[in-house]
Amino acid sequence: QVQLVQSGAEVKMPGASVKVSCKASGYTFTSYGISWVRQAPGQGLEWMGWISPYFGDTNYAQKFQGRVTMTTDTSTSTAYMDMRSLTSDDTAVYYCARREWFMDYWGQGTLVTVSS
Amino acid sequence: EIVMTQSPATLSVSPGDRATLSCRASQSVSSNLAWYQQKPGQAPRLLIYDASTRATGIPARFSGSGSGTEFTLTISSLQSEDFAVYYCQQYNHWPRTFGQGTKVEIK
Repeated sequence: QVQLVQSGAEVKMPGASVKVSCKASGYTFTSYGISWVRQAPGQGLEWMGWISPYFGDTNYAQKFQGRVTMTTDTSTSTAYMDMRSLTSDDTAVYYCARREWFMDYWGQGTLVTVSS
Repeated sequence: EIVMTQSPATLSVSPGDRATLSCRASQSVSSNLAWYQQKPGQAPRLLIYDASTRATGIPARFSGSGSGTEFTLTISSLQSEDFAVYYCQQYNHWPRTFGQGTKVEIK
C-alpha cells in the first residue's frame, strides 16, 4: 500500500533552517511528483510547491521562492523540503503528498515550531 | 493566482440530512478541481478529483459536480464520521490553490 512517512516534529529558533523528510513506499517513486502543503495552527491548507523525482523539476509558490528548496533521493525514495530564515509565521504542520495535480496520498504531517 | 472561495464557512447539518458545499474559482479551472476532507489532527483525505470522480474507497454518498468556475460537493446523507472540514483545490493553474474550507458541524 502507498505510504508517505515524514520525519518527526522540530523546534527551531527564528532565523534557523529546517529540513523535513518524506519517505515513500508502495509505489514507484519516480512515477509521481511530490507536493508540499503546510497548515498553520487553526488555518487552512497552503500549497508550497512540487518536485518531480524523475526529472528533478520543481515549481514553488512565489511566496516561498528563494527560501525553500525541494529535493529527492531516488535511491531511498525520499523527498525533502528545506526552508531557511524561519520566522514565527512558519510555525505549521508541513505535509508531503503524492502527485502534482490532485494529491491522492498524504504523509502524516510534521509539526515545525519556530520560537525563541 | 487563482482564488478559490468556499461557502458557507460553516454548515450545521443533522445526521442523515443532505449537505451541499460550494466552491468558486476566480477564473476557469476547467474540471481540474479536487475535494478533500480533514478531521482534527489528521492529514487531508482525497474525496473527489476531476470535479466529479470519487477517489478510491470513497463512499457513494459523496458526489461532486461543476466545471469552469462553479463547483459543488454533495454529501447525500450525513454520517457521524462526515463531520469535518472540507477543502476544494484547483490544479488547472500554477500555483495550486485551496479554498479556505467549509466546516460541517452537527446541528
